[in-house]
Amino acid sequence: DAGVIQSPRHEVTEMGQEVTLRCKPISGHDYLFWYRQTMMRGLELLIYFNNNVPIDDSGMPEDRFSAKMPNASFSTLKIQPSEPRDSAVYFCASSFTGSMNTEAFFGQGTRLTVV
Amino acid sequence: GDSVTQMEGPVTLSEEAFLTINCTYTATGYPSLFWYVQYPGEGLQLLLKATKADDKGSNKGFEATYRKETTSFHLEKGSVQVSDSAVYFCALSDPNRDDKIIFGKGTRLHILP
Repeated sequence: DAGVIQSPRHEVTEMGQEVTLRCKPISGHDYLFWYRQTMMRGLELLIYFNNNVPIDDSGMPEDRFSAKMPNASFSTLKIQPSEPRDSAVYFCASSFTGSMNTEAFFGQGTRLTVV
Repeated sequence: GDSVTQMEGPVTLSEEAFLTINCTYTATGYPSLFWYVQYPGEGLQLLLKATKADDKGSNKGFEATYRKETTSFHLEKGSVQVSDSAVYFCALSDPNRDDKIIFGKGTRLHILP
């Protein structure tokens, strides 16, 4: 397996534009997580899914943020409209909970810059 | 709720020094514990893990022991290298909380040659 795949790797957009980040989890994994990382706040969990169903979205900062997981192999995180303070690195991770050894596998992240 | 607390960085050490990064946790059940490492420009990757009390996880010269009595999982390495410079995250996965993985805030480590 190629691991968790995120796209794009870098995104620069103007304030007010819609941004869509994409993630393909590892095949067979039943959990998918979206994180945001900034220097100020470190790594924040935004939302996570189990078997494609959103379980906890309490970390989503505002209504401008939304996430979907239409099937087991694809998820999106959308920001509409984007603002400069959304600039961060966004990570997707997936895990399999078939045993006690649940570990998260991370993608390489999308570096978002909103100007 | 569950939480992970780790020492704030940055931590700066000379090459070959001994490293300890403290981590304590709060959980309702019996979580699995992890250390992840993030090298510059990359995502997090698992460094080591332990799934029950008194287990010792080890990898690349790093070690951490699951201490239930002190709810701790401190990361240690006897002799650090410049290539160990990275951000280190302590994390837990609690089966009583849907196995949601909770991370500490991370500790940045700088190793000077």
